[in-house]
Amino acid sequence: KQEVTQIPAALSVPEGENLVLNCSFTDSAIYNLQWFRQDPGKGLTSLLLIQSSQREQTSGRLNASLDKSSGRSTLYIAASQPGDSATYLCAVRNDYKLSFGAGTTVTVRA
Amino acid sequence: NAGVTQTPKFRILKIGQSMTLQCTQDMNHNYMYWYRQDPGMGLKLIYYSVGAGITDKGEVPNGYNVSRSTTEDFPLRLELAAPSQTSVYFCASSYSVTGEETQYFGPGTRLLVL
Repeated sequence: KQEVTQIPAALSVPEGENLVLNCSFTDSAIYNLQWFRQDPGKGLTSLLLIQSSQREQTSGRLNASLDKSSGRSTLYIAASQPGDSATYLCAVRNDYKLSFGAGTTVTVRA
Repeated sequence: NAGVTQTPKFRILKIGQSMTLQCTQDMNHNYMYWYRQDPGMGLKLIYYSVGAGITDKGEVPNGYNVSRSTTEDFPLRLELAAPSQTSVYFCASSYSVTGEETQYFGPGTRLLVL
């Protein structure tokens, strides 16, 4: 069974600091890994999707890396802003199923 | 293009009552999913469907039923509601399950069973 762990559970940083969010998974036979953003009381918004054959993906200030052999992914958010405050979820796909971590709740202080 | 829509947004049920959570997508996606999210936890898959008429159990299917009569709709039925079913329910859809495809999520239904 796939187990996905996200560390830390919560993070508070001053505006402008870079954010580093970690995700680890136990079964490396994945199709892809996704990072989602969830705002309070809202649904999930996909931020980045990394296919199993890729090492990283970038979108604006966001960069996600994938090391499938070690079962790890890292999401970097450069120059954080108060609008980046949200919960970030990591999910890995094995066949039809997405397995989610519990998320990292980020607070960016102005 | 509304994406994935869910109704209702919030509902309070008494123990033993039944209800149907509605989910509709307008992207002509083959695959649809139901997840539940408990406080401080990740999402857990309840049921999924790979096309009209085809459904299968996920990780936590007990106490729930689904049907998929059309490509667009994927309702989730709760029979005999229990306090353990208090959660936020998310419906999602995707075109396929290849490495390139993301899942699109609805806004969620918050359910409280008292």
